Amino acid sequence: DGGITQSPKYLFRKEGQNVTLSCEQNLNHDAMYWYRQDPGQGLRLIYYSQIVNDFQKGDIAEGYSVSREKKESFPLTVTSAQKNPTAFYHCASSNPTRLISNQPQHFGDGTRLSIL
Amino acid sequence: AQKVTQAQTEISVVEKEDVTLDCVYETRDTTYYLFWYKQPPSGELVFLIRRNSFDEQNEISGRYSWNFQKSTSSFNFTITASQVVDSAVYFCALINAGGTSYGKLTFGQGTILTVHP
Repeated sequence: DGGITQSPKYLFRKEGQNVTLSCEQNLNHDAMYWYRQDPGQGLRLIYYSQIVNDFQKGDIAEGYSVSREKKESFPLTVTSAQKNPTAFYHCASSNPTRLISNQPQHFGDGTRLSIL
Repeated sequence: AQKVTQAQTEISVVEKEDVTLDCVYETRDTTYYLFWYKQPPSGELVFLIRRNSFDEQNEISGRYSWNFQKSTSSFNFTITASQVVDSAVYFCALINAGGTSYGKLTFGQGTILTVHP
């Protein structure tokens, strides 16, 4: 079945440590996104990529980094510079174009990151 | 810049009651798209509906219905005869069609719906 796979489902980070969240999709979507969700809040955009080897900062990119070397993969690294990383992280994909930007984004199951 | 507001933080109903979740949005674009997503306890977001700014027709899908009113910038969601399985967090979201923000969803803060048996 086509979909988005995020791993791991739960992740713990020590102080000063970088951690990487995996996101893989087999929907053949061009665009991929990372969102952060804090308790009682909506999702906020961290980074997005509209095409391979290209990505853009979202609204809260500080302390995060991404890469897009393959169409199906968009890993997110939470660096030690991110002082409050505890949150639920969502990866999504879609095929937006300037004519069809209304295509719904499909989401993975999410990764819950906590500080040790 | 765009903004989506879901004024109801939490709603609690008894099974078989009807419930309406409110969504109000702000955008300067004339062409935009509105979405509703459901987040069950397992965490993944599930797409429910998409509506474009040109189409103000209300839509019904089974027990779900949506009321889009451009004049009041609202896109409300009604569940008829609610069931326990409807318990989830519901998000309203907006995408502008033009400029550099296309493809970027702006979410409301979500409404937690609890349906009691």
